[in-house]
Amino acid sequence: DTAVSQTPKYLVTQMGNDKSIKCEQNLGHDTMYWYKQDSKKFLKIMFSYNNKELIINETVPNRFSPKSPDKAHLNLHINSLELGDSAVYFCASSQAGEQYFGPGTRLTVT
Amino acid sequence: AQSVSQHNHHVILSEAASLELGCNYSYGGTVNLFWYVQYPGQHLQLLLKYFSGDPLVKGIKGFEAEFIKSKFSFNLRKPSVQWSDTAEYFCAVNGGNYGQNFVFGPGTRLSVLP
Repeated sequence: DTAVSQTPKYLVTQMGNDKSIKCEQNLGHDTMYWYKQDSKKFLKIMFSYNNKELIINETVPNRFSPKSPDKAHLNLHINSLELGDSAVYFCASSQAGEQYFGPGTRLTVT
Repeated sequence: AQSVSQHNHHVILSEAASLELGCNYSYGGTVNLFWYVQYPGQHLQLLLKYFSGDPLVKGIKGFEAEFIKSKFSFNLRKPSVQWSDTAEYFCAVNGGNYGQNFVFGPGTRLSVLP
């Protein structure tokens, strides 16, 4: 069974659209994250939730809104998509200081 | 604020060559240190980690890293690389006591020539 899963794996959409990426972890971890990896492979944390509560919210446009319906899920909703949002988005979960990553969602905005 | 730097942007080696990738961090307190590997088109996987104890840690696939506290360094090594080691390597740090804020370095791309 996949420990951290994301859907969809690929997402191609036009500027101005609204889209969501879903993440689920079956590890029983309390903390979940969203990262953005740009074309240069630089990995930047966007959000972190601990037990459904937001604990890290880096400088990210408010078009990005995370939602955690329960501690096993952390979804990312993006409004009014822009070209610069094109990247790979990784979900991760952690417990006891160790982090596990999902397979990534490659978002392409045209 | 925590930060992580990695010395090399792109390293090119021939098979069987030895590897050392540099990583330095900036953080005032107790840290946990990690190396992750990202194979082409895949997600990040944990290679090894240091929480406490022996500063020389061994990970998967023959990799090891040494924590040198006085130098704020956690360099990754492998005595003999293989073509299958071609990947992006990320050093990461979080605060001790199982901190939740992970900070990643910019990554080092390793290309191993057959």
